[in-house]
Order: sequence, then C-alpha cells, then structure tokens
Amino acid sequence: GESVGLHLPTLSVQEGDNSIINCAYSNSASDYFIWYKQESGKGPQFIIDIRSNMDKRQGQRVTVLLNKTVKHLSLQIAATQPGDSAVYFCAETLSASKIIFGSGTRLSIRP
Amino acid sequence: NAGVTQTPKFRILKIGQSMTLQCTQDMNHNYMYWYRQDPGMGLKLIYYSVGAGITDKGEVPNGYNVSRSTTEDFPLRLELAAPSQTSVYFCASRNPGGNYGYTFGSGTRLTVV
Repeated sequence: GESVGLHLPTLSVQEGDNSIINCAYSNSASDYFIWYKQESGKGPQFIIDIRSNMDKRQGQRVTVLLNKTVKHLSLQIAATQPGDSAVYFCAETLSASKIIFGSGTRLSIRP
Repeated sequence: NAGVTQTPKFRILKIGQSMTLQCTQDMNHNYMYWYRQDPGMGLKLIYYSVGAGITDKGEVPNGYNVSRSTTEDFPLRLELAAPSQTSVYFCASRNPGGNYGYTFGSGTRLTVV
C-alpha cells in the first residue's frame, strides 16, 4: 500500500552498516519511551523501550540511548538489513493517555 | 492470536456521509485507542478507552464518536465526513500494567471527497 509520511526525513544506509536514528522529545516529565517501526501499509510495531531511569537498553541488533539532559533519544540498528527499511517513530509517555509520537524518520537501505 | 483487527482497510466517502471503522482485539486488553496519521505527521490520539463502558477524548476528537460495549470491540464513528478527515486510522490496544507498548492494527485508509 501507499506509504504514509511522504515528506519525512530520510536516512540512507549501506546494507551491513550501522544505522542511527535520532529523536528529540519535548517533555522533561516523560518517564517512558518507545521506538516503533512502521513498514509500508502496516501499523506501527513495537521495537524497544526504555524508562527514564536508564541511559541505555539493548535488544537484538537494536540499542536505545536516552540523554535526559538534552531530551534526546536514539535508536541504533546494527548490521542494517533490507528488512529494516521502514519509518521509525519515537514515542514519549507521560501517562496512559498522554503519549506523544514523533513524526518519524524513513530508513532506506542501499544494496 | 489475531491481535488487533481493523476493517475496512480502505474506504472512500463523500462529504457528509457517515461510516463506522471497526476495531476488535482478542488479547483481552483493557485499554484501547484510536489514532489518526496524516502524511509527515506523528500519530494523533482521537479517543481512548480504559475498559468496557468507559471512553474519553484524546487530542483531536471533533467529528468522531466511539463506544465500548465489550472489552474486545472499540468502533469509531464518523457522522458527517469532511475532507479534513482524510487520513490513515489506527486502532491500538494494551494492558494497563507493565510497559505502555501498544499492539496496533494494520490501519484503515480513509479518503473523503
């Protein structure tokens, strides 16, 4: 299906390289952060999360870094593969109903 | 498990028409949400529900209504469709405990002409 976010910032990465996607969040009171992956024509999919009392969390091939001082979140994807092509969103959580999503970054993989 | 199921996947409405976007989940999640996603924008919360019989407005509720008669179903109603409601709509659910990670449906792409 047609992709959403036609005018999103795009990160182009060589297959096999590491990808770093950045996100600035807005509220210093946010205590929980999530990265989502959204493939074309699909709903967002949970990748990894981190609480505000942590600086770093690792998953399988993914690492999230949190810098509360500058309200910055990053997602690192190791050894980027073609299947990693998608739009990536960060989300900051203030409460069960107050979750703010970023506009997303499109990750494009060069063969 | 099917997760969160949304129907229809695509719909074209004329201005002033009404329709209901269906959402059902089979994970026994208490919390359910409706978001809209416009091109180049993040997800905006329309309505949410913390359990059967309980609903509340989100960030952009105008022009929409919801109901939650069962834990499984959370339909979104558009009464008088307007071009500004052209968007992709996502339903999501989660349990109240633990983390706030949602399970999303695959979306409904709505065009109002």
